[in-house]
Amino acid sequence: EAGVAQSPRYKIIEKRQSVAFWCNPISGHATLYWYQQILGQGPKLLIQFQNNGVVDDSQLPKDRFSAERLKGVDSTLKIQPAKLEDSAVYLCASSYKTSGMYNEQFFGPGTRLTVL
Amino acid sequence: AQKVTQAQTEISVVEKEDVTLDCVYETRDTTYYLFWYKQPPSGELVFLIRRNSFDEQNEISGRYSWNFQKSTSSFNFTITASQVVDSAVYFCALTKHTGTASKLTFGTGTRLQVTL
Repeated sequence: EAGVAQSPRYKIIEKRQSVAFWCNPISGHATLYWYQQILGQGPKLLIQFQNNGVVDDSQLPKDRFSAERLKGVDSTLKIQPAKLEDSAVYLCASSYKTSGMYNEQFFGPGTRLTVL
Repeated sequence: AQKVTQAQTEISVVEKEDVTLDCVYETRDTTYYLFWYKQPPSGELVFLIRRNSFDEQNEISGRYSWNFQKSTSSFNFTITASQVVDSAVYFCALTKHTGTASKLTFGTGTRLQVTL
């Protein structure tokens, strides 16, 4: 079974530029998460989708960050315009069921963003 | 609000030594899940264990063991006879037990360096 795919793996941009990250979850996984991991810290949830609906985006800086999951499968996370403090690894994760016992989150390899 | 504290920022050991990684958590939920993840230099988070708050039995898996103590809100992780391949950042995480998918709250991680 293929894991969570993310691209690009690395991205370097200048501040005020725009950037987009792509995530393809494990087939059949209804729930998709985007986490931000700043160097030296643990991952922090930015947004959680269940199918194509948003479940939790309380920690998403909505003035510059946006995310979508139009067909309930792939997702994109966009930053516009980027700031220096956005330098981080952006991790995508997915999980199988939407209810019942806890369902393990499977993580992708992440996209390392450097903002200069 | 949930919080996970990993007070040890970095630990260095010599191969074959035993090492314990500490994790202390805070939650108002009566039922919850605790996790340990490994993050090698490649960046992908690797799931190690999930523990339900109902189950305080300790668990052993090969060289890995986990000690869950609800009375002290701790979920410590011990590696016996450490190996160089154990070098990574280890994260403890917490989520509430809602029966539906929910976000993970991570600690800041402990970097383990195992040398020859």
